[in-house]
Amino acid sequence: SQKIEQNSEALNIQEGKTATLTCNYTNYSPAYLQWYRQDPGRGPVFLLLIRENEKEKRKERLKVTFDTTLKQSLFHITASQPADSATYLCAPGEDTDKLIFGTGTRLQVFP
Amino acid sequence: EPEVTQTPSHQVTQMGQEVILRCVPISNHLYFYWYRQILGQKVEFLVSFYNNEISEKSEIFDDQFSVERPDGSNFTLKIRSTKLEDSAMYFCASSGEGKQPQHFGDGTRLSIL
Repeated sequence: SQKIEQNSEALNIQEGKTATLTCNYTNYSPAYLQWYRQDPGRGPVFLLLIRENEKEKRKERLKVTFDTTLKQSLFHITASQPADSATYLCAPGEDTDKLIFGTGTRLQVFP
Repeated sequence: EPEVTQTPSHQVTQMGQEVILRCVPISNHLYFYWYRQILGQKVEFLVSFYNNEISEKSEIFDDQFSVERPDGSNFTLKIRSTKLEDSAMYFCASSGEGKQPQHFGDGTRLSIL
């Protein structure tokens, strides 16, 4: 069955460092992969979408890589800030309407 | 920036009662969705809606659930006879022509007593 794995344990880092979050998937052939941010009690907020023919995508301090051979995406936040503290969700997408989310990784950035 | 709005933010209902959750998607969007998130668990897809009909639904979306777009702006989720296990956050989302990305509202917290 299809499976999406994200680090279930919280990632704690110091302000100013780079945070790297991992998303692994199995039994999927995604045409694209999305990353969302979710704050407690709020809905997911779209951050980045990367397509299967793109190796890397950047937006301000965010960078996403997508390796279809390893079946993995890495999500980086450079110069992290306490305001980046949230849960980050990945969602590999096939040719379908629905988003299937991973369980998410909680990021905590300490001053 | 345009956003998806959901009402109410919190709904408390007795088991067995009907409940309607309301959403106003982003105005020029064409695709509409409902997801739910049980406390501490992941966000799960319920249903997608396009051109006034359901395009896809999950196993969770059984006969107790229905969706409707009663006018040009609202999108509703109805649960006919609520059960304790329906307690969750329900998120509405919408997307434009390319289907992705989806834009989410801040949810309705549904508590069944």
